[in-house]
Amino acid sequence: DVKVTQSSRYLVKRTGEKVFLECVQDMDHENMFWYRQDPGLGLRLIYFSYDVKMKEKGDIPEGYSVSREKKERFSLILESASTNQTSMYLCASSLGGNEKLFFGSGTQLSVL
Amino acid sequence: QQQVKQSPQSLIVQKGGISIINCAYENTAFDYFPWYQQFPGKGPALLIAIRPDVSEKKEGRFTISFNKSAKQFSLHIMDSQPGDSATYFCAASSGSNYQLIWGAGTKLIIKP
Repeated sequence: DVKVTQSSRYLVKRTGEKVFLECVQDMDHENMFWYRQDPGLGLRLIYFSYDVKMKEKGDIPEGYSVSREKKERFSLILESASTNQTSMYLCASSLGGNEKLFFGSGTQLSVL
Repeated sequence: QQQVKQSPQSLIVQKGGISIINCAYENTAFDYFPWYQQFPGKGPALLIAIRPDVSEKKEGRFTISFNKSAKQFSLHIMDSQPGDSATYFCAASSGSNYQLIWGAGTKLIIKP
């Protein structure tokens, strides 16, 4: 069965901390995505990657960076966490472009 | 022009009734319209999708109706069941663009 695994379900960090969110997929998918989900705003794309070591900015990349050193792993990095980055973070992967995204269960990040 | 407007924000339907969620878009270049279903504590999962060459697509109790001239598409859930209670997101994209544009979501509650 298809699986996208996010390393933490809940995370609490302090303002200014560097935060790493990890995502692993076991489907040999080329494409991986990081979204944030906020009530009333739907899902907003932060970054995506269509190949190892490749990355593209989404709609809201400011304050974030990503790393994809291996095909199955896509990391989201908050260089200096701020309170407005408190959100649900969702990782997804797909075989072909934006068709049929497979999502992880999400990481609820609270920045205090 | 990149927005997808989804309504209603929340919806309560009696068991056995028809649930209808609507989405509208402006960008005529959009050519892929998926609906995702999200249960609490889980990531969204693809439910059903349509391309503009057809006006309707049905999968079991779920139907997408697509009106190209009005730039609207809707999800109909027939014989709604308590297990359908979830948040539903519409989305849209164009060509091979990796970016899906998401609606804000509709929280659906089916009353037994």
